[in-house]
Amino acid sequence: AQKVTQAQTEISVVEKEDVTLDCVYETRDTTYYLFWYKQPPSGELVFLIRRNSFDEQNEISGRYSWNFQKSTSSFNFTITASQVVDSAVYFCALSHYSGGSNYKLTFGKGTLLTVNP
Amino acid sequence: GAGVSQSPRYKVAKRGQDVALRCDPISGHVSLFWYQQALGQGPEFLTYFQNEAQLDKSGLPSDRFFAERPEGSVSTLKIQRTQQEDSAVYLCASSLARTYEQYFGPGTRLTVT
Repeated sequence: AQKVTQAQTEISVVEKEDVTLDCVYETRDTTYYLFWYKQPPSGELVFLIRRNSFDEQNEISGRYSWNFQKSTSSFNFTITASQVVDSAVYFCALSHYSGGSNYKLTFGKGTLLTVNP
Repeated sequence: GAGVSQSPRYKVAKRGQDVALRCDPISGHVSLFWYQQALGQGPEFLTYFQNEAQLDKSGLPSDRFFAERPEGSVSTLKIQRTQQEDSAVYLCASSLARTYEQYFGPGTRLTVT
C-alpha cells in the first residue's frame, strides 16, 4: 500500500528561522513521483516541486530546498530564513501508478507551519 | 493563462438534496482528478478522467457519487441524497499528462445540514 507520513502536525517558528518539514513515504513501486504542495489560508493547493524516483539530486529554489533520500524513503523540505507569508499547511504527496493510466496522488496529513513576526 | 476553476465555491445543502459541483480544467489538460478533503486532513482521491474516459473511480465513497466529463473538458461531480458525512471540500485538479504535476482549483466547500 502507498502511504505518506508527515509526523509534524504543527510547527511554529519566528521569522528568519530555518525550518524543515519531514516527509516519509512507503511504496512498492520502483517508479514513482514525489510532490510538495502549499495550502495557504485561502485554501488553494499550490504546486511547489515534483521529483521522480530516479532523480535523487537535491534541489534548491530561492529559499526553498528539498532533500530526497531513497535509502530512508524521505523527501524533506527546508525553508531558509522563513517569512510570515510562508505560513500555510504543507502537504507531501506520492504519485504512483494505480492502473488505467492513472497516477493518483496519495497525500500526507499535512504540516501546519506558522511563522511569527 | 487561466488556472483550474470550480463552482460554486460554497454550497449548503439540506440532507437528502442532490448537488452538482463543476470543474473547468486548464485548457489542453488531458488528465482530470477529483479529491475530497475533510477538515484537517490531506486530500483523498475520488476519481480520474483521461479526456472523456473515466478510468478510475475507486475512491468514490458510495454509489451516491457520480462524475462525468462528457466532452473531455468540463467535469461535474454529482452527489445524490447528500448526507452529513459528505461535508468536505471537493477539489478538482488537472494535469497535462498522467505523470505531470497536478494543478488544483480553489475547491468547493460543501456543508450538509
